[in-house]
Amino acid sequence: QVQLKETGPDLVQLTQTLSITCTVSGFSLTTYNVHWVRQPPGKGLEWMGAMWNGGGTDYNSAFKSRLSISRDTSKSQVFLKMNSLQTEDTAKYFCARDYDGYWGVMDAWGQGASVTVSS
Amino acid sequence: DIQMTQSPASLSASLGETVTIECRASEDIYNGLAWYQQKPGKSPQLLIYNANSLHTGVPSRFSGSGSGTQYSLKINSLQSEDVASYFCQQYYDYPYTFGAGTKLELK
Repeated sequence: QVQLKETGPDLVQLTQTLSITCTVSGFSLTTYNVHWVRQPPGKGLEWMGAMWNGGGTDYNSAFKSRLSISRDTSKSQVFLKMNSLQTEDTAKYFCARDYDGYWGVMDAWGQGASVTVSS
Repeated sequence: DIQMTQSPASLSASLGETVTIECRASEDIYNGLAWYQQKPGKSPQLLIYNANSLHTGVPSRFSGSGSGTQYSLKINSLQSEDVASYFCQQYYDYPYTFGAGTKLELK
């Protein structure tokens, strides 16, 4: 059974760094791509970036150099790290898997990690 | 970036009714379009990909159509479990972008 689960802090201080882990099961990170998508409260979805199955990454330029995505295939984990957090980064952060053969189509999602940026 | 303009922002319909949600891309996305359903407090669920391909397990009352820059999601015979928000997403080019969403409620 395909599963993704995000774990991270509920609260992060203004200007600090956010770290969230996505632990997956039921599939291999060397076969499937994993994306990070966020959703501010009551708002829409924003694609942040991806960890490709070959180990490369792509980022939404909206996050400039604040965002870093990495992985540990031995632990089936993908990591999101974003620095210089602002109040507008308050959101639910999802990791999601690519649908077989369709890069960018996300067929399995984690439950999301809700993060509040506080001053 | 490709902008996705989704309409309407909200929609109220009766059980059994047919509803249509539209999505317009700022440039041709060559059918690289997906639709997701999101219920309150839950994560998005894939409904349609490739503009008109029904994802496994999705009821056949959902259908997608369109080409070029204009796409739509149709729900036939609306059921109570269809109350949700719906998002379109283009995956033709980076960064992948989503529409702002349509909130579907029962009348």
